[in-house]
Amino acid sequence: GAVVSQHPSWVICKSGTSVKIECRSLDFQATTMFWYRQFPKQSLMLMATSNEGSKATYEQGVEKDKFLINHASLTLSTLTVTSAHPEDSSFYICSAVPSGTADTQYFGPGTRLTVL
Amino acid sequence: AQRVTQPEKLLSVFKGAPVELKCNYSYSGSPELFWYVQYSRQRLQLLLRHISRESIKGFTADLNKGETSFHLKKPFAQEEDSAMYYCALRSVSSYKLIFGSGTRLLVRP
Repeated sequence: GAVVSQHPSWVICKSGTSVKIECRSLDFQATTMFWYRQFPKQSLMLMATSNEGSKATYEQGVEKDKFLINHASLTLSTLTVTSAHPEDSSFYICSAVPSGTADTQYFGPGTRLTVL
Repeated sequence: AQRVTQPEKLLSVFKGAPVELKCNYSYSGSPELFWYVQYSRQRLQLLLRHISRESIKGFTADLNKGETSFHLKKPFAQEEDSAMYYCALRSVSSYKLIFGSGTRLLVRP
């Protein structure tokens, strides 16, 4: 149990376009999900906390207009990278916490974004 | 400030040797500490958490509040233990995790 999926697993796009990444909790509901960014050979950097039915909470230095987060249901959060540029190329990872628990986060497999 | 420090980027040992991956934290309060592992081409997964006080895959970690440490130990390393290990901290009031920079463990045959 407690499986989190991400789609797509990898995406290549042109500079200036927008890309949407989906994060789904497959066998549990998640009021809270998280989005991370991971650069090569580096640790995970928390970008934002996604809350179902309310606005996301962004970490300091993360542009909310650049990285749009929507958490419209208890099993789906989406991250849209708007007007992507090459510096946005990275590995994006989501995680989810089962609703009503103090459980730890379950992580998705990640999405590799390459902006040409 | 909340911070997790893993001083070693790479730890290389031979099979059967003891392993200790260091983790120190800075937090004003009572945090929860975790160790996560990421095997090659796999997702991040929880290895153990300090409140469970259990041994997973032969690994143990003891929270030392005096030294603000949560070192991960295993008496006899196996080749399949080779992976990236991340120490993480979570405050009691939030689900947010703060990760250390990670240590790559390489167990040689």
